Amino acid sequence: ETGVTQTPRHLVMGMTNKKSLKCEQHLGHNAMYWYKQSAKKPLELMFVYSLEERVENNSVPSRFSPECPNSSHLFLHLHTLQPEDSALYLCASSWEDGRADTQYFGPGTRLTVL
Amino acid sequence: AQKITQTQPGMFVQEKEAVTLDCTYDTSDQSYGLFWYKQPSSGEMIFLIYQGSYDEQNATEGRYSLNFQKARKSANLVISASQLGDSAMYFCAMREVNPSGGGADGLTFGKGTHLIIQP
Repeated sequence: ETGVTQTPRHLVMGMTNKKSLKCEQHLGHNAMYWYKQSAKKPLELMFVYSLEERVENNSVPSRFSPECPNSSHLFLHLHTLQPEDSALYLCASSWEDGRADTQYFGPGTRLTVL
Repeated sequence: AQKITQTQPGMFVQEKEAVTLDCTYDTSDQSYGLFWYKQPSSGEMIFLIYQGSYDEQNATEGRYSLNFQKARKSANLVISASQLGDSAMYFCAMREVNPSGGGADGLTFGKGTHLIIQP
């Protein structure tokens, strides 16, 4: 595997389900990100992890819970979601060394909440 | 706060023509980076080109070039000799340079331009 991978690619869940999105980067990067892309809206940053520590949480509802066990893996745990949470969830990674470093994205997980 | 504006929701361009996608930005930061990404219908966000705020030369990557006008706060993407495979959404994005030399910062994205290349 190369680059940034995400699983599953598609997910349909009910509002009472619990599921997790997985992201893995094979680029040797030290920072990882979750973004949400809803229809007709710009991408929204959800979470940032640098060196496995969360550095930013853009007021995301608690029904989204991130986990970064090591610098290569990032999870987004989902529970009791709402239909408006249906979106494309994109993971990204970058090597942070004090510059505006490029973020590389995975293919995304398309989530539908029924 | 940072803001990205892309004023062209959609564009139709003939194959082999050059196309310019507009992007203006607003920031109070002195050091920042500007990025363009391509998103095909499959959903993956593909990095195209990067321009640093202190770079004096316009960035180029193959058929892509970035027309950076710092005083006007614009960072337009130029695609030369367009191809059918260039049909996609194109996003302009920016982030500040972390002044402390470490940590990470998210990207601020524009709403995108839907480019359609016609044969």
